[in-house]
Amino acid sequence: DIVMTQSPLSLPVTLGEPASISCRSSQSLLHSNEYNYLDWYLQKPGQSPQLVINLASKRASGVPDRFGGSGSGTHFTLNISRVEAEDVGIYYCMQVLQTPYTFGQGTKLDIK
Amino acid sequence: EVRLVQSAAEMKKPGESLRISCKASGYPFKNYWIAWVRQKPGKGLEWMGVIYPGDSETRYNSALQGHVTMSVAKSTSTAHLQWTSLEAADTATYFCARHVHGGPPDYYYMDVWGKGTAVIVSS
Repeated sequence: DIVMTQSPLSLPVTLGEPASISCRSSQSLLHSNEYNYLDWYLQKPGQSPQLVINLASKRASGVPDRFGGSGSGTHFTLNISRVEAEDVGIYYCMQVLQTPYTFGQGTKLDIK
Repeated sequence: EVRLVQSAAEMKKPGESLRISCKASGYPFKNYWIAWVRQKPGKGLEWMGVIYPGDSETRYNSALQGHVTMSVAKSTSTAHLQWTSLEAADTATYFCARHVHGGPPDYYYMDVWGKGTAVIVSS
């Protein structure tokens, strides 16, 4: 199985400041079609997860443009340019290249 | 509106059987895979597997295969997750999600999620 490793696991951020979460995979997630099969989900407190970024860098429908994804192969990053209160929760990266699909441990973002 | 409505929380004893449900509405149920995701208390997310309602094809996480069964009832647009003998380690919240094809070959993502069913297994 592909192992996904996120860092940091806890991320306190000041409102309006940027935030960055790293995700590494034990195998390359770069498909032969040149897409990286890596998604980011956010689970807000008490809610179900919601898609934020798919294919490593594409914002999901309705996601604000302060969210951005980058990376390729085995190293990916989720960036938030200016954190807002509604961004708090746990962010998970997830590989969807091969089954079983696997998630990172999660990064808990909260406000300082 | 696409919705997935999950059944209510359950409290069971070890060894008991259980079936939880996920009722879909707002889209052609048989045309989209349904995924199941487990979240143990205070822990992260774990992909359990998917089922295609059109023909009931399943793909399980091998770590779970044999202990839990996915099924669908097309007549009621409902997906089910079933255990014949629960264990304390099954205590978790179980989410269902619509698993949609995203364009590139073999690329799927989860676009709509249910609110989850909490299962507590305790003697």
